[in-house]
Amino acid sequence: DGGITQSPKYLFRKEGQNVTLSCEQNLNHDAMYWYRQDPGQGLRLIYYSQIVNDFQKGDIAEGYSVSREKKESFPLTVTSAQKNPTAFYLCASSSKGDTEAFFGQGTRLTVV
Amino acid sequence: QKEVEQDPGPLSVPEGAIVSLNCTYSNSAFQYFMWYRQYSRKGPELLMYTYSSGNKEDGRFTAQVDKSSKYISLFIRDSQPSDSATYLCAMRVNTDKLIFGTGTRLQVFP
Repeated sequence: DGGITQSPKYLFRKEGQNVTLSCEQNLNHDAMYWYRQDPGQGLRLIYYSQIVNDFQKGDIAEGYSVSREKKESFPLTVTSAQKNPTAFYLCASSSKGDTEAFFGQGTRLTVV
Repeated sequence: QKEVEQDPGPLSVPEGAIVSLNCTYSNSAFQYFMWYRQYSRKGPELLMYTYSSGNKEDGRFTAQVDKSSKYISLFIRDSQPSDSATYLCAMRVNTDKLIFGTGTRLQVFP
């Protein structure tokens, strides 16, 4: 089955630790995105990548880092510099020339 | 001012009602408009996609775009309890990043 897989579904992090969220797609999509969702704030764009080895900051990139070494993978690292990391993180992808984006099922990150 | 504005709700309606969900936007360059449905603790799923102005119908769902007023709507006919979810509007200029509204929480009670 084609789709976007995010793992893990739930993640707990201690303050001061870096943590990496996985996003893999087998849709052969060129573009991939990371969004953060907080109650009452909708989806806010963290980073996006339209081709391998290239990515751009979104609206709230501070405290996050990404890599795009393979077309199918776009991991997100939440660093200790992110002051309020507890949120629901969503990965999405879209095909070049298409306008719809398809989402994974999300990772809920909690700082303990 | 946010680029995309959406009333967060919640909107509570009885089963069988017609539901109207709306978004306004400020960027006149937006050309592609989407509606996503998101169930609790799940990723959003694409419901409707519209290019430029006009209407699009799919079963009980109708999407409308009025570019002159910078206003988009999603209508749900004969609403069902299974329609209870958060509905997110999204839009983009071309193949650039998607901009989302905050989402409207809909509750359909039996």
